[in-house]
Amino acid sequence: DIQMTQSPSTLSASVGDRVTITCRASQSISGWLAWYQQKPGKAPNLLIYQASSLESGVPSRFSGSGSGTEFTLTISSLQPDDFATYYCQHYTSHSYTFGQGTKLEIK
Amino acid sequence: QVQLQQSGPGLVKPSQTLSLTCAISGDSVSSNTAAWNWIRQSPSRGLEWLGGTYYRSKWYNDYAVSVRSRITINPDTSENQFSLQLISVTPEDTAVYYCARVSYSRGSFDYWGQGTLVTVSS
Repeated sequence: DIQMTQSPSTLSASVGDRVTITCRASQSISGWLAWYQQKPGKAPNLLIYQASSLESGVPSRFSGSGSGTEFTLTISSLQPDDFATYYCQHYTSHSYTFGQGTKLEIK
Repeated sequence: QVQLQQSGPGLVKPSQTLSLTCAISGDSVSSNTAAWNWIRQSPSRGLEWLGGTYYRSKWYNDYAVSVRSRITINPDTSENQFSLQLISVTPEDTAVYYCARVSYSRGSFDYWGQGTLVTVSS
């Protein structure tokens, strides 16, 4: 099974900062990589699909990139609403795997 | 707009069966471009995909290896919903359970239910 490892586990940042979260796969994967935002008590919300495609309605400050084994989610200028937990997710051959999450905290 | 509405008990006794239902509006459980899934989340396991069902001229199911011997996901076309049954539960099955749609063109979960906290306890 492919394992997805996110880093860092926790990230402290300030409003206006540019932040990057990394998701590494245990082996090279196709571009079926998605990113989600989750707030306490809510279901995850899709931000990015197929590594770099922005989901409809998601602010353009969110972007995704990467290939092979390393993928990144970048928030260009943090807004107060962005402090949440972020997950990557990979799809392959009828199976889905999530990363362990990155909690983005206010510095 | 797709909406998923979950229902089912929040407390299940050990060794019994966990049963949840997810009612779909704005799409069809028989859609040829989507799959209907169950995911759970706990502090110890994080987000864990459990399995799904989808229709491509006939019905298919995919299940996670971790629960394959205990899980059944069934579509209900008459009610446009799908269900989860997990047998022989233990306290380790305590989690928030979500239903979610996968759009096959995206390979990602674009619509989610509201979540149901299921506690396994006597």
